[in-house]
Amino acid sequence: GAVVSQHPSWVICKSGTSVKIECRSLDFQATTMFWYRQFPKQSLMLMATSNEGSKATYEQGVEKDKFLINHASLTLSTLTVTSAHPEDSSFYICSARDARGLSPLHFGNGTRLTVT
Amino acid sequence: QKEVEQNSGPLSVPEGAIASLNCTYSDRGSQSFFWYRQYSGKSPELIMSIYSNGDKEDGRFTAQLNRASQYISLLIRDSKLSDSATYLCVVNIVGGSYIPTFGRGTSLIVHP
Repeated sequence: GAVVSQHPSWVICKSGTSVKIECRSLDFQATTMFWYRQFPKQSLMLMATSNEGSKATYEQGVEKDKFLINHASLTLSTLTVTSAHPEDSSFYICSARDARGLSPLHFGNGTRLTVT
Repeated sequence: QKEVEQNSGPLSVPEGAIASLNCTYSDRGSQSFFWYRQYSGKSPELIMSIYSNGDKEDGRFTAQLNRASQYISLLIRDSKLSDSATYLCVVNIVGGSYIPTFGRGTSLIVHP
């Protein structure tokens, strides 16, 4: 089946630093990748959608200068949380889909970010 | 009106029983429908995909799609304690790029 690898699985960083999260599709070409954030006991919140080679489309309320998304190839997307603050501590999950619009999403295992 | 509706639950069933999870969607043109399971602290995992009217069975799971009623369900037979999780209904909403739209999820608790 389709596999999405997300790294790191957890990270602790100090306030003011930046953190990069990688999301790779291992056995298919991910035309579209989605980045989600999830706080404890809450639903997944879509942050942004990225298509390979294009600028990401951010959801309302998500700061594009704070959450930098790069989708430079069909198998790799990165999310960089810049100048992280404690309120950015959350569970970040990427998902990927191939070019067929009817295809399901395949999720990475998520990254738990803690900002101290 | 939210585009994909699910009862948040919790739905509590005894071990060995059938759990029935339901979902409705608003976009009549949608063509692909999915059920995901999410354990606490983990990312969602795909359980079932369904694209045509009727039933689709995979082991203990049966997904049902009724396009006329814009209704999807997931039946879990012989429920196990390990089935306790949140079940997410996802519909690829037609609208340019088939945006995957999530229901809020139904919490299922299987008790001994």
